[in-house]
Amino acid sequence: TQLLEQSPQFLSIQEGENLTVYCNSSSVFSSLQWYRQEPGEGPVLLVTVVTGGEVKKLKRLTFQFGDARKDSSLHITAAQPGDTGLYLCAEGYGGSQGNLIFGKGTKLSVKP
Amino acid sequence: AAGVIQSPRHLIKEKRETATLKCYPIPRHDTVYWYQQGPGQDPQFLISFYEKMQSDKGSIPDRFSAQQFSDYHSELNMSSLELGDSALYFCASSLVGQGIYGYTFGSGTRLTVV
Repeated sequence: TQLLEQSPQFLSIQEGENLTVYCNSSSVFSSLQWYRQEPGEGPVLLVTVVTGGEVKKLKRLTFQFGDARKDSSLHITAAQPGDTGLYLCAEGYGGSQGNLIFGKGTKLSVKP
Repeated sequence: AAGVIQSPRHLIKEKRETATLKCYPIPRHDTVYWYQQGPGQDPQFLISFYEKMQSDKGSIPDRFSAQQFSDYHSELNMSSLELGDSALYFCASSLVGQGIYGYTFGSGTRLTVV
């Protein structure tokens, strides 16, 4: 089971700023999922990336999967207070059942 | 759209007591996963079920057991509770083989052991 490293661990920015968070592994991902979690709530799936070099956009969020499929990034443009939360990357493993291993997450705070 | 339903949302138990957490997956989802998330920690996989059979086991203590019923809902039974069991417990569901493309998580049960 590989270890997922996320950076930065904490990020505090002002509304309107841009930011990027990273997820890295020493091994190749089969697929990578990004989740956002608010305090006391379950993680909510944002996107799944599968193909090396893949870029997916979700409104102001841009997700990129590295060509070698060992890293991924999430870029948020013009951050808003509603973007505040814990951003988790996760990889599926365990065969067809697809159990997940999570990174430690990036805790984002966007101040008005 | 129907989501994953977990009950109860909050539970307070004393040490050495037992607790039962319930999970109702999205209709037609046949695979259920349980995760434990301690304070400030990432979710840790406990156990999963497919078609009422245990499909994989993670870091689930021997004091815990779980099962999936004929209507696909699942229950996590926790006995001899310890203070360290205080955590958020999440259930997620998917169709078999589709979990690697993303789960739908429930809102969780916050268990506090005092």
